[in-house]
Amino acid sequence: DAGVTQSPTHLIKTRGQQVTLRCSPKSGHDTVSWYQQALGQGPQFIFQYYEEEERQRGNFPDRFSGHQFPNYSSELNVNALLLGDSALYLCASRYGLDNTGELFFGEGSRLTVL
Amino acid sequence: DAKTTQPNSMESNEEEPVHLPCNHSTISGTDYIHWYRQLPSQGPEYVIHGLTSNVNNRMASLAIAEDRKSSTLILHRATLRDAAVYYCILKRGGSQGNLIFGKGTKLSVKP
Repeated sequence: DAGVTQSPTHLIKTRGQQVTLRCSPKSGHDTVSWYQQALGQGPQFIFQYYEEEERQRGNFPDRFSGHQFPNYSSELNVNALLLGDSALYLCASRYGLDNTGELFFGEGSRLTVL
Repeated sequence: DAKTTQPNSMESNEEEPVHLPCNHSTISGTDYIHWYRQLPSQGPEYVIHGLTSNVNNRMASLAIAEDRKSSTLILHRATLRDAAVYYCILKRGGSQGNLIFGKGTKLSVKP
């Protein structure tokens, strides 16, 4: 049973470019969340998707957008990249919106913006 | 969501018990206490969670104070693989909000 898988694992972009990160949730999971983790910090919540809709959003600008597909996989898009967007981007999944249970994380996509 | 306070770092010897403290004095009645850990170069992984009663699982135990203003994650016999950043997180039951991570406690385990 595959866990949460993310791609790519590493990528390098330059300022002003756009990036798309992809996530496949753990089998049986329908809710996907995205987190940004800067070096030495804890993960920061970006947004959550359920039933192909953005359900909750953290304190991130509109440059950060996402999508969830009918098969529950998800994409994170970041436009007009800034140096400060360099971070580890984590995808997490669970079944249902009830958040009292375990959240499963992928190993992340490390983005470097030059 | 209510805030938690954890020590920045702790050290332990291999095969000894480890007690990781967490203060959450503004916890509300419906807040669950979650613990996650993040090993180097990996995403966070769930450790344990509880509401009021102490909880045990194969990884750890969670001791919750009677007034719920603090809790302690207990690793019964630390191994080198337990070296990680441990996050204590409060999460209100239901669909509102997501996990709000602080900086956590970096646990070092000495052989």
